[in-house]
Amino acid sequence: DTEVTQTPKHLVMGMTNKKSLKCEQHMGHRAMYWYKQKAKKPPELMFVYSYEKLSINESVPSRFSPECPNSSLLNLHLHALQPEDSALYLCASSQVGSERPTDTQYFGPGTRLTVL
Amino acid sequence: GQNIDQPTEMTATEGAIVQINCTYQTSGFNGLFWYQQHAGEAPTFLSYNVLDGLEEKGRFSSFLSRSKGYSYLLLKELQMKDSASYLCAVRDKDYQLIWGAGTKLIIKP
Repeated sequence: DTEVTQTPKHLVMGMTNKKSLKCEQHMGHRAMYWYKQKAKKPPELMFVYSYEKLSINESVPSRFSPECPNSSLLNLHLHALQPEDSALYLCASSQVGSERPTDTQYFGPGTRLTVL
Repeated sequence: GQNIDQPTEMTATEGAIVQINCTYQTSGFNGLFWYQQHAGEAPTFLSYNVLDGLEEKGRFSSFLSRSKGYSYLLLKELQMKDSASYLCAVRDKDYQLIWGAGTKLIIKP
């Protein structure tokens, strides 16, 4: 089973709303990632969790707040977003990459976010 | 800086063979990945190369030359469903994935 699930599939929100994106995997992976992808661009890394601890934050604005409640779940809390934050938000998971170079990141189907 | 180059777009005919090239300059090298991404969907893993040479997996093969900073993805017996973007990504010395911009492959009947 190489499945990563994400909910919701689509989300439309206003700039004053608070919403959350959810990601789940049951592959026993201990690294989880949030990416942002704009149309016709490659995925852009936002956050990396390793063993439920935030290990990388790629200078992401504080209106994006990640949370890793346990080894299978990853959330992204959204607050006061801007229209330019509209994008496909992808979650991925892998074994802990720094120790096992062959580990591959498996992606969820993504959440298509539109900020009005 | 770190850089990965791929052609922006390629066109090929159903049943034919196509080769998508990727060149890279990165801070260290810990493997190269190819992903396929259909429009509006998530990237799906195709192949991984860390040693020089050819890795074959069904209709898809991937080649790596570390000395040249070069890889290619070879797709044989093209099918219409192969129309997608193909992303090359390199893991650098810090085990971070550096992504190319992707190659949009258009398959014509």
